[in-house]
Amino acid sequence: AQKITQTQPGMFVQEKEAVTLDCTYDTSDQSYGLFWYKQPSSGEMIFLIYQGSYDEQNATEGRYSLNFQKARKSANLVISASQLGDSAMYFCAMRDGANTDTGRRALTFGSGTRLQVQP
Amino acid sequence: NAGVTQTPKFQVLKTGQSMTLQCAQDMNHEYMSWYRQDPGMGLRLIHYSVGAGITDQGEVPNGYNVSRSTTEDFPLRLLSAAPSQTSVYFCASSYSRGARFYEQYFGPGTRLTVT
Repeated sequence: AQKITQTQPGMFVQEKEAVTLDCTYDTSDQSYGLFWYKQPSSGEMIFLIYQGSYDEQNATEGRYSLNFQKARKSANLVISASQLGDSAMYFCAMRDGANTDTGRRALTFGSGTRLQVQP
Repeated sequence: NAGVTQTPKFQVLKTGQSMTLQCAQDMNHEYMSWYRQDPGMGLRLIHYSVGAGITDQGEVPNGYNVSRSTTEDFPLRLLSAAPSQTSVYFCASSYSRGARFYEQYFGPGTRLTVT
């Protein structure tokens, strides 16, 4: 069964510093996708970044990058130059390529990390 | 495009009442899902659909029914509300092209309280 583990319930970071949010996953499939979402206090789910299991390079999107270590089954989110607006819950999620037509179409989420950026 | 829309935004039910949470998307996405988010937790999958007429259960399906008669709409029915169903409900949609997994687009959520 798929599983996503986020071991940091809460993190603090100073404004303008970088921060790494940890995510480990478990799947028996070779084909899978890893996602990070941000959920601010307003409650919406905002997609940040995607990493495919066959992607050779780590994904980057602006100030977000994904430190993907396939052998260790980890997909850590790195936020560079933190801003006050980065304060939010961050969720790691996975969709695997299980060979069932319905099995690949929804996400399994971790429990999230609450990031607080301090001025 | 409106994206994924959900109604209502807030709802209070009494134990035993039934209701339908509405979800619609205008992006012609094949895949739609319902999740619930309890306080301090991640999202858990309730039901999902890979196309009109095709639905399947997720991790926590008990007490909920879905149907998908059109590509656009994916309503979630609570059959007999219980306090344990107090949660925030998110609907999401996505598509797939080849081997890439595309992100899910989420609606704004429905906050449901069952007393």
